[in-house]
Amino acid sequence: EPEVTQTPSHQVTQMGQEVILRCVPISNHLYFYWYRQILGQKVEFLVSFYNNEISEKSEIFDDQFSVERPDGSNFTLKIRSTKLEDSAMYFCASRYGRGQEPQHFGDGTRLSIL
Amino acid sequence: ELKVEQNPLFLSMQEGKNYTIYCNYSTTSDRLYWYRQDPGKSLESLFVLLSNGAVKQEGRLMASLDTKARLSTLHITAAVHDLSATYFCAVWGDRDDKIIFGKGTRLHILP
Repeated sequence: EPEVTQTPSHQVTQMGQEVILRCVPISNHLYFYWYRQILGQKVEFLVSFYNNEISEKSEIFDDQFSVERPDGSNFTLKIRSTKLEDSAMYFCASRYGRGQEPQHFGDGTRLSIL
Repeated sequence: ELKVEQNPLFLSMQEGKNYTIYCNYSTTSDRLYWYRQDPGKSLESLFVLLSNGAVKQEGRLMASLDTKARLSTLHITAAVHDLSATYFCAVWGDRDDKIIFGKGTRLHILP
């Protein structure tokens, strides 16, 4: 069964550094998402992306965050200057777009900011 | 703004017992999802509920949706230890391109 794949599985970064989290959505999917989950807390929406542009973003997704689909397969989340509170598990998700299917989630990248 | 509330947030129960997790949401929606998450793992899709009165069952788990009451339930029948996990409900807002998660119910089943 096709999967959403995320790399790396764990990223450790110094505060203030830039970090890029990578995702390869399922190949025929058209809608892409990033969510985050701070340890022990609920999953929070960050951003949705369709047709090469952001369709919706949350208050968490401030100017420090950006997303990109640099080629036909990757979908990246960049955090420009990381803060301690950015430490979380980041999940990428995708869906085809017919509306009824669930979003398919990757295994996540655990981001630890030191 | 869409809000999703689950209760209870933590549930410890004996094997063989039945229990129900509740998920309330604040605005109209015709799509509700239940996910399972094991510690340190990703989100596994369990059920997709798309219409009022929808009921789906998989093994010992059964989910239902009442869109008029804005309520979904996840019922566990004769719990077994393997069902220990955190269960999230998530709702798709009518005009949104995102799903909003509840806080999750951490289910701990004692042997």
